[in-house]
Amino acid sequence: DTEVTQTPKHLVMGMTNKKSLKCEQHMGHRAMYWYKQKAKKPPELMFVYSYEKLSINESVPSRFSPECPNSSLLNLHLHALQPEDSALYLCASSRGGGEGPGNTEAFFGQGTRLTVV
Amino acid sequence: GQNIDQPTEMTATEGAIVQINCTYQTSGFNGLFWYQQHAGEAPTFLSYNVLDGLEEKGRFSSFLSRSKGYSYLLLKELQMKDSASYLCAVRDLDTGRRALTFGSGTRLQVQP
Repeated sequence: DTEVTQTPKHLVMGMTNKKSLKCEQHMGHRAMYWYKQKAKKPPELMFVYSYEKLSINESVPSRFSPECPNSSLLNLHLHALQPEDSALYLCASSRGGGEGPGNTEAFFGQGTRLTVV
Repeated sequence: GQNIDQPTEMTATEGAIVQINCTYQTSGFNGLFWYQQHAGEAPTFLSYNVLDGLEEKGRFSSFLSRSKGYSYLLLKELQMKDSASYLCAVRDLDTGRRALTFGSGTRLQVQP
């Protein structure tokens, strides 16, 4: 199983709404990531969790709040978003969280296409 | 930080060979990755290089020169389905990063 599953696939939300994006993997990976991707742009790193602890927050606004309840799950809580936050949100995971070569290939989920209205 | 450069767009003919170049600058290099991304879909892993040289995987090969901060992805026997964006990504340890930083991607159009 090399699958990262994200739900929902599509989400439309108002600027006053609260919603959550979910990500799940059962590959035993201990590093999980949230990326944001705008149209015709590369994925931009938002958060990194290593062994269920937040290790990197790329200066993301507080209206995005990540959570890692266990080693298989990663959530992204959304509150008071702006229209410019509309994008494809990608979850990824990789084996370990360490530095060794060959253990850092990241597997991506299909993403949640978010539209903020 | 990292600086990753790759051409924005390339066009090639079905059955031909195309080489997509990537140059990078990073202080704590720990691997270079190539991903393929079709429009509206997630990136899918193609190849990984951490040592100098060529890695071959079927129709796809990737080359790395760490001293030159240079990599290329070689696609042989091009098929129409190879039309996609190809993302070069680098892993850097010195700044505490464990995640990948992506280049802007190269949109490849394969023509009949």
